[in-house]
Amino acid sequence: GQQLNQSPQSMFIQEGEDVSMNCTSSSIFNTWLWYKQDPGEGPVLLIALYKAGELTSNGRLTAQFGITRKDSFLNISASIPSDVGIYFCAGPPQGGSEKLVFGKGTKLTVNP
Amino acid sequence: DGGITQSPKYLFRKEGQNVTLSCEQNLNHDAMYWYRQDPGQGLRLIYYSQIVNDFQKGDIAEGYSVSREKKESFPLTVTSAQKNPTAFYLCASSIASGGAGYGYTFGSGTRLTVV
Repeated sequence: GQQLNQSPQSMFIQEGEDVSMNCTSSSIFNTWLWYKQDPGEGPVLLIALYKAGELTSNGRLTAQFGITRKDSFLNISASIPSDVGIYFCAGPPQGGSEKLVFGKGTKLTVNP
Repeated sequence: DGGITQSPKYLFRKEGQNVTLSCEQNLNHDAMYWYRQDPGQGLRLIYYSQIVNDFQKGDIAEGYSVSREKKESFPLTVTSAQKNPTAFYLCASSIASGGAGYGYTFGSGTRLTVV
């Protein structure tokens, strides 16, 4: 089946640093979603991207839908301790939108 | 406020026992899903349901069972046949079939531990 590859698997950064993570696929996705999961909680939708080349911001978060529709990037600027968590990319596979495919996540640790 | 509620938050089970995890949503979503999360494994789909009285197996359905008698409810039973049930379980919902692109709403999870 279709897979989403996220990198890096984990990140350890200092408070105030910028963060960049990405998600790639061997096949085309028409929608890219980015979720954040706080420790011990369920994932929450951060940003949704629906158009190739689209760049969307939500506060300190910026995400981009790759022009090839096979990748997406999430950037976090000026990280703070509450940014800690696991970030997942997800999307409905082309030709079948009833289930999302999820990446394995990027675990972010922010040192104060 | 609309949302999706999982209970209990923590659950302990003795080996050989069945246990049922509750998932209720008041979002009027048609589709519901159960995922299992293990450290470093991401989210793995156990079962999903697009409509009442119908459900399909996901990637790791063995040792689990579900029912969908009401639109609002999608309980998951972890049976004694599941050899390694200790994990974090997440329930999610989405609008009607074809609406996965709008994203899922997740519950806050149930951590199941076998003792």
